[in-house]
Amino acid sequence: AAGVIQSPRHLIKEKRETATLKCYPIPRHDTVYWYQQGPGQDPQFLISFYEKMQSDKGSIPDRFSAQQFSDYHSELNMSSLELGDSALYFCASSSGQMNTEAFFGQGTRLTVV
Amino acid sequence: AQSVTQLDSHVSVSEGTPVLLRCNYSSSYSPSLFWYVQHPNKGLQLLLKYTSAATLVKGINGFEAEFKKSETSFHLTKPSAHMSDAAEYFCVVTDRYSSASKIIFGSGTRLSIRP
Repeated sequence: AAGVIQSPRHLIKEKRETATLKCYPIPRHDTVYWYQQGPGQDPQFLISFYEKMQSDKGSIPDRFSAQQFSDYHSELNMSSLELGDSALYFCASSSGQMNTEAFFGQGTRLTVV
Repeated sequence: AQSVTQLDSHVSVSEGTPVLLRCNYSSSYSPSLFWYVQHPNKGLQLLLKYTSAATLVKGINGFEAEFKKSETSFHLTKPSAHMSDAAEYFCVVTDRYSSASKIIFGSGTRLSIRP
């Protein structure tokens, strides 16, 4: 069965560079969530989208932005990268805004050097 | 508001002995509860979920959890631990009727298995 696809799986960037992470939800899923998991930390909610509109916002820095496109895939854009942005970034998708089971991608490991 | 508390940051058991990972939740409405497992350098895998059907939920790899509304708990158990169970476990709560589409994670419990 198709799962949530994230790309790239690994990314190395230098400080002050930009990065774009992509998330392709399970077909027919209309809700996408982004999470950031620092080393030894639990996942922290960044932002979510439902039907291509932002539905909720968590602890996402102003340097980050995200959107959901017409094909429901989502991109997380990160600018002016800092060392502290190094983390595992998860995307999850679900069907319907009123909470159903969320399926997680394998994550993108971002390393800022 | 929703919240979830995992009572133990680290649990260590011997192989072949029972596992108990504790989780308490707080939810204004009708919660859905999940347990996810994360092996080192891997993504999150769903173990089991409760969405208002049977209160005793069976998941993969022999894990199960019981939803106890009176105790606001959703503890994860397994009768006999296996070395491959060593991983980080996250209890997750979502509010089925909330307009907020956040998924709330507990802080995680690291399960270690002694030979």
